Amino acid sequence: GAVVSQHPSWVICKSGTSVKIECRSLDFQATTMFWYRQFPKQSLMLMATSNEGSKATYEQGVEKDKFLINHASLTLSTLTVTSAHPEDSSFYICSVQRQGNIQYFGAGTRLSVL
Amino acid sequence: AQKITQTQPGMFVQEKEAATLDCTYDTSDQSYGLFWYKQPSSGEMIFLIYQGSYDEQNATEGRYSLNFQKARKSANLVISASQLGDSAMYFCAMRERGDYKLSFGAGTTVTVRA
Repeated sequence: GAVVSQHPSWVICKSGTSVKIECRSLDFQATTMFWYRQFPKQSLMLMATSNEGSKATYEQGVEKDKFLINHASLTLSTLTVTSAHPEDSSFYICSVQRQGNIQYFGAGTRLSVL
Repeated sequence: AQKITQTQPGMFVQEKEAATLDCTYDTSDQSYGLFWYKQPSSGEMIFLIYQGSYDEQNATEGRYSLNFQKARKSANLVISASQLGDSAMYFCAMRERGDYKLSFGAGTTVTVRA
């Protein structure tokens, strides 16, 4: 069964609005979650590492104020795209690091900003 | 420098035949992990197989096997007895020692023909 739940799977919003994406670890407590962005037919680009109870670690070039990450509990991390613009349209996907070496991914969220 | 190189953007495979997907990696670490993920058109990332750098045996998971050639820094994925449902994008990834992050290759799109 699924290890990671991501919601919503698809969202359309107007330019200037904010969108929140949830990533839930279903069967274990995750101190670390990851957020990726993927453009069509391209590879995954790590945006940030979400740490439970502390600030997220952002990759170089990712705007912290644009992509707000909150990891308030051991099973939930959220990514909020603030004041979204058409160039923010993309596929966003989260992952959870389980014990051992495997990262398990959510089903992803397709964001379309009009 | 590119850590993971997948030289095949796309490939066609006949149903029931084997497919070999190339992956080479670059690291100076002695301890690292190599992963393969499958991404169908729905977008979810499905973990397929893992190989640790110290594992002496090639990893196998059902119809998937990883041809690990450490000296050549190669970690090719072999899909045996291809099925139509194997049509997807496949990503090779690496995690280096002391780092939770995954570095992904550009991906290979596999199309299985009936």
